[in-house]
Amino acid sequence: DTGVSQDPRHKITKRGQNVTFRCDPISEHNRLYWYRQTLGQGPEFLTYFQNEAQLEKSRLLSDRFSAERPKGSFSTLEIQRTEQGDSAMYLCASSLERRSLHFGNGTRLTVT
Amino acid sequence: GQQLNQSPQSMFIQEGEDVSMNCTSSSIFNTWLWYKQEPGEGPVLLIALYKAGELTSNGRLTAQFGITRKDSFLNISASIPSDVGIYFCAGQASAGGTSYGKLTFGQGTILTVHP
Repeated sequence: DTGVSQDPRHKITKRGQNVTFRCDPISEHNRLYWYRQTLGQGPEFLTYFQNEAQLEKSRLLSDRFSAERPKGSFSTLEIQRTEQGDSAMYLCASSLERRSLHFGNGTRLTVT
Repeated sequence: GQQLNQSPQSMFIQEGEDVSMNCTSSSIFNTWLWYKQEPGEGPVLLIALYKAGELTSNGRLTAQFGITRKDSFLNISASIPSDVGIYFCAGQASAGGTSYGKLTFGQGTILTVHP
């Protein structure tokens, strides 16, 4: 058990560019969550998967955001046409059914 | 998005002192959780509370689930320098089912411990 792994740890991009983040959950965890955390705030729920099915999306997830979990293992979060307001820490978490969430160390996105 | 009201925002204490922080909400939650986050890392679960009135301890940490299900508090006794970090409360409205894991977080309490 190596924990939830996120890649990259840091990403700096120019406004208007597309970015993609990857999350590898703890193996055998069937649920995977994406949260966003801005400076000085707690994490905010974005979306979650049970296996490969995306079951819920927050209103925070605009149509520029898309998340996938194609084989029910790793997940990707893509942001198209990035804006400065997208600058944040993007956290991934996983859990086994209704057990505790285990968070990764996040991807810090800076949009210049 | 909705967030819980967590207080205080920050605390500066001497090593050995006890710490208390709390979280309130206008909505009812069926689960209350307390997390700690250190710089550059994700939140780590400290204590989970599942029933109104429940009092749970984890070492020097004690947390309670308020009777109204709209609040919770966390106490840390005899603080040590490694307690430094940001503490977050989180509530979960759903007792189970498909929305499990959809957490609402507070704004955090920044704890500084002076040796």
